[in-house]
Parts: sequence; C-alpha cells; structure tokens
Amino acid sequence: GAVVSQHPSWVICKSGTSVKIECRSLDFQATTMFWYRQFPKQSLMLMATSNEGSKATYEQGVEKDKFLINHASLTLSTLTVTSAHPEDSSFYICSARTPGLVGGEQYFGPGTRLTVT
Amino acid sequence: QQQVKQSPQSLIVQKGGISIINCAYENTAFDYFPWYQQFPGKGPALLIAIRPDVSEKKEGRFTISFNKSAKQFSLHIMDSQPGDSATYFCAATLHGANNLFFGTGTRLTVIP
Repeated sequence: GAVVSQHPSWVICKSGTSVKIECRSLDFQATTMFWYRQFPKQSLMLMATSNEGSKATYEQGVEKDKFLINHASLTLSTLTVTSAHPEDSSFYICSARTPGLVGGEQYFGPGTRLTVT
Repeated sequence: QQQVKQSPQSLIVQKGGISIINCAYENTAFDYFPWYQQFPGKGPALLIAIRPDVSEKKEGRFTISFNKSAKQFSLHIMDSQPGDSATYFCAATLHGANNLFFGTGTRLTVIP
C-alpha cells in the first residue's frame, strides 16, 4: 500500500527558533501533498495544499510566512514553522494524494508532535 | 460551517458488539466518502471508502452504509474488539477536488 513517512516524529524547540518537518511518499509519486494540524481530541484542520513545483495554497487564517511549505519533488514536501511560539505546539500531519484518482484517496503520515518551550 | 457532521462524539461498546458511527453531509456534489482510523499519537489510516453509486460496502468486519437521498452514511464495526479502540473520522470530498472535509471524530472504546 501507499506509505507516507514524516520526520521527525517529535521535536522540542525553543520559542523564536524555526523547525522543519519532512513528509515523504515512499512508494509512490505524489503530485499533491497536504499539511494538517490537529489539536488534542479534535479533528484535522487543513493548513495548506502543495503541488510539486508550485507555490502552496494556504487555507484561510493560516499565515503563509509563518508556515513555509516547499514541495520540491514528487516524493518530498517540507513544512517549516518559523519563529515558533508556544501556541504553535501541536500535532502536524501530512498526507499525499495518489495521482490519477479523481476525488481519490489520501494517505497520511504518522504525524509530528511539535512542542515549543 | 461544518460540511460533514459526525456522531456520536464518543462510544463505548462491549467486546463482540456492533459499533455504529453516523455521518451526514450537506453538499450533494460530494462523491467520495472515506473513513479513517486514528490511534493516539499516530496519523489517520484509511479504513474503508465508498462512492455514492453503491449503498453498501463491506470489508471484513467493517461496513459502510450509504443513503444518498438522506445524505447520510455510517460505519458499522461488527464483532468489535478492544484493538478497535481508536478515534474514527468520516470524510467527504468533491469530484475533482483535492481536499477532504472531515467529521469531528468519534472516540470508540471497546471494553473486554
């Protein structure tokens, strides 16, 4: 099946620093990847959609200068949280969409737990 | 506005029982309805999905029932096991669109 990995699985950083999270599709090429944020006991909130080789599309209310997304290849997308603050602490999950499927499946990574101190 | 409404918020079922989670949607253009299972500290995993041209889909102990006229769909877990204890999310997506609209999630606990 389609496997998506994320690295790191958890990270602790100090307030004001930047953190990069990687999302990789291991056994398929993903033309589109998605970044979600999830607070405890809540649903997933879509942050942005990234297409390989183009700029990401951010959801309303998501600061694009704070959450930098780069989809450099068909198997890798990165999310950089810049100048992190404690309120950025959350569970970040990426997903990748299999190409050629209209309204098709998204496969999710295992998530990255970010704690900003 | 919540595009997909999910209930109940939490559910406790005895081992061997049937777990039923319900979802309702508004947008009749939605054409793909997946269910995801999420364990604590993990990403969601695709469990089963259905398209509106069928009324039911079964995979092992998991069944989706789909009522197009009522704009409702549900997940049935037969012979529920403690290992099924997780949070379940229904979702829906539009034809040709990328993003999924998630329900609010149901925390299922199966007690031995």
